[in-house]
Amino acid sequence: EIVLTQSPDFQSVTPKEKVTITCRASQSIGTGLHWYQQRPDQSPKLLIKYASQPFSGVPSRFSGTGSGTDFTLTIDGLEAEDAATYYCHHETFGQGTKVEIK
Amino acid sequence: QVQLVESGGGLVKPGGSLRLSCAASGFTFSDYYMSWIRQAPGKGLEWVSYISSASVYTIYADSVKGRFTISRDNAKNSLYLQMNSLRAEDTAVYYCARGPLRGCDGSSCYFVDYWGQGTLVPVSS
Repeated sequence: EIVLTQSPDFQSVTPKEKVTITCRASQSIGTGLHWYQQRPDQSPKLLIKYASQPFSGVPSRFSGTGSGTDFTLTIDGLEAEDAATYYCHHETFGQGTKVEIK
Repeated sequence: QVQLVESGGGLVKPGGSLRLSCAASGFTFSDYYMSWIRQAPGKGLEWVSYISSASVYTIYADSVKGRFTISRDNAKNSLYLQMNSLRAEDTAVYYCARGPLRGCDGSSCYFVDYWGQGTLVPVSS
């Protein structure tokens, strides 16, 4: 089983700051990595599919890069509504990264 | 727009059974793989199972294999999860999610885009 490890587990960020979340796979998965956002008390929403493809309707401040074992989700200019837990996904899910607004 | 609405959750005793349903609308249900994904209270996401568009393929997480059965009725635009021999560790919000369009290969079959709002299944005596 491929294990996904996200870092950091938690991040407290000021609005307009740039946020970077990484996801490392225990073995190479090509570009088969997806990112989801889960706001408090809501269901997850797809942000980025196949490492770098933005999903329909996702704000342009969200972007994804990477291939093989190392992947990154970037939020360029954090907004208050971005307070959420972010998960990477291949077959299993990463443990999640909680982003809090300072 | 794509809509997925789960139902059937509720308190169940350890060893008991429950059947979850997911009503789909806003897309051609019979064209898509579908998945169940769960989230224990305060915890992360755990993929549970997927089913192919014509019910030919079903895959389960090791944690539920032999106890849970995924199925679908394309005529009713509905997805189901039959859960037997429930354990306390099965306590979670269960989400229905839309998978890939028709064909997929290996790990791409686990991809999901739209999620329902979830239904809570507490397992407790």
